[in-house]
Amino acid sequence: QVQLVESGGGSVKPGGSLRLSCAASGFTFSDSYMTWIRQAPGKGLEWVSYISSDSSHTNYADSVKGRFTISRDNAKRSLYLQMSSLGAEDTAVYYCARAAVSWQQLDYWGQGTLVTVSS
Amino acid sequence: DIQMTQSPSSLSASVGDRVTITCRTSQRMSRFLNWYQQKPGKAPELLIFAASSLQSGVPSRFSGTGSGTDFTLTISSLQPEDFATYYCQQTYSTPQTFGPGTKVDMK
Repeated sequence: QVQLVESGGGSVKPGGSLRLSCAASGFTFSDSYMTWIRQAPGKGLEWVSYISSDSSHTNYADSVKGRFTISRDNAKRSLYLQMSSLGAEDTAVYYCARAAVSWQQLDYWGQGTLVTVSS
Repeated sequence: DIQMTQSPSSLSASVGDRVTITCRTSQRMSRFLNWYQQKPGKAPELLIFAASSLQSGVPSRFSGTGSGTDFTLTISSLQPEDFATYYCQQTYSTPQTFGPGTKVDMK
């Protein structure tokens, strides 16, 4: 069955960095667009970034542009989010999700990993 | 960026009620509109994609309609497991914005 398992979350000080990972199984990862979505405590969903299947296309929300970098390793079936210059506004649960080819709907989600930015 | 609004922001309903949630986008987007359900402490789950296509495994009491800028999610007969927050999302252009959510709770 399809599984997406995020890891790498934790507590970090303002200005710090963190790298999230998402391990995929149960589907053809190398054919799939992948995204990161985040949700601040008690708030709604925020689209963060996506990457095309071959890494040729990436896109970012304005709120993270220049600070976050999305990448993937198809051989390892893994998605990454390198986060730097973190601020309190980046505190959230981060989800990885697969974007289906047809309408880019997010049909599979991981369980999420919590990132807390606090001094 | 495409702006998304949802109405109502919350509603109280009873089991068996028909529930309708509306999503409006600031730009026309054909059918690039999806609906998700999220329960507390859980990841969102896809209900409807392409405005009206039911995701595999989702009960048929859920349905979606609309195109252009106005979209609707309907639950024909609310079940106990449907109390949750519902989000629309546009995938017409980046950033692929979400609506602010509609919380459905028990009356």
